[in-house]
Amino acid sequence: RKEVEQDPGPFNVPEGATVAFNCTYSNSASQSFFWYRQDCRKEPKLLMSVYSSGNEDGRFTAQLNRASQYISLLIRDSKLSDSATYLCVVNANYGGSQGNLIFGKGTKLSVKP
Amino acid sequence: DTGVSQDPRHKITKRGQNVTFRCDPISEHNRLYWYRQTLGQGPEFLTYFQNEAQLEKSRLLSDRFSAERPKGSFSTLEIQRTEQGDSAMYLCASSQTATYEQYFGPGTRLTVT
Repeated sequence: RKEVEQDPGPFNVPEGATVAFNCTYSNSASQSFFWYRQDCRKEPKLLMSVYSSGNEDGRFTAQLNRASQYISLLIRDSKLSDSATYLCVVNANYGGSQGNLIFGKGTKLSVKP
Repeated sequence: DTGVSQDPRHKITKRGQNVTFRCDPISEHNRLYWYRQTLGQGPEFLTYFQNEAQLEKSRLLSDRFSAERPKGSFSTLEIQRTEQGDSAMYLCASSQTATYEQYFGPGTRLTVT
């Protein structure tokens, strides 16, 4: 089982649609969870951290289910500018490894007019 | 611009040559990370520093790779005797110790011919 698995995508949606991305992780000891956004040939940019209680930032809502080791990202009222690859990320927390992040392969989102 | 910077942005080299990349983190961040990303994959962890101490190295980091952060500020990543399989985007990120939120530089794209 891969450490972080995401929906393969691509997701092609019209402007204004609501889209949800799902992610599972294998290490139950992971403590920190994130969604990053990556535009083509650019660096990943932190979109939001994910907290156990769930959190919202404008049109974006992230949720975490520790029991199921599942993370989600919901984008409401999608914009053309939301087109990007969304990376699910957890911190490594095993043995002596705590600082580095483990990334999923990413899910590509394309928002069409 | 007070973000993470990397130099050079692009590097083309012949197989067997040595290359060195530089990363300047966000000034108040004491952790610095190196990742490698190939097409269609998420970034993969290589190594990280807390101040000048290299705390962890991935198994991906072969003997041909070495990283330094001599004064706890900027870092260099050197690849000796480059191989075609080293072609990738090399990303640097930094964070504060108290958080795992990492901020990435624009990356150095290496092409080995």
